[in-house]
Amino acid sequence: DQQVKQNSPSLSVQEGRISILNCDYTNSMFDYFLWYKKYPAEGPTFLISISSIKDKNEDGRFTVFLNKSAKHLSLHIVPSQPGDSAVYFCAASARAGANNLFFGTGTRLTVIP
Amino acid sequence: ETGVTQTPRHLVMGMTNKKSLKCEQHLGHNAMYWYKQSAKKPLELMFVYNFKEQTENNSVPSRFSPECPNSSHLFLHLHTLQPEDSALYLCASSQDWGGLSYGYTFGSGTRLTVV
Repeated sequence: DQQVKQNSPSLSVQEGRISILNCDYTNSMFDYFLWYKKYPAEGPTFLISISSIKDKNEDGRFTVFLNKSAKHLSLHIVPSQPGDSAVYFCAASARAGANNLFFGTGTRLTVIP
Repeated sequence: ETGVTQTPRHLVMGMTNKKSLKCEQHLGHNAMYWYKQSAKKPLELMFVYNFKEQTENNSVPSRFSPECPNSSHLFLHLHTLQPEDSALYLCASSQDWGGLSYGYTFGSGTRLTVV
């Protein structure tokens, strides 16, 4: 029973345009959310996070939006670059059980030059 | 260089073999984790060690046996595995409990194939 879902296994975007990656969760106890990026033959690397007390967090070209009522978060990449091509994982955690991050299945982003 | 090093990168083993995966972190973190990534499935937490003490075991079969001799090293001992255990095994570490503040730092993983 997946508590974090990424329903789009892949996404293709033209270079310079916006990439929007979506993530849904079912556990209302989740209050901290993270995005990880994974290149082939490498482990996931931490990208950006957001606490449930916020609805937006921005870091350079990357912005994460959180809609608690919809149990939905999204990662926006603007402008998209070919080097952004990777698999993006959404993860969530509840402070009560903070020793476990629940991951989605990932979305493969391809940025076309 | 991620600061978390996993060896070997690739491993092929028979169902009767005994092998070990190794993880080493050079970041001064106090928690280490083993995750399993199977095809088309989310990363699954297997074990958590905090200050060398195992604090989580997510119903992992006993054919997987973790060992954490110190805060910098983590092993996963494997014996009598099944073909369905073939997956990417990822080690991670974090500074804060659960990695809430800084996220986890992952190693590159060991691609395990059980034949």
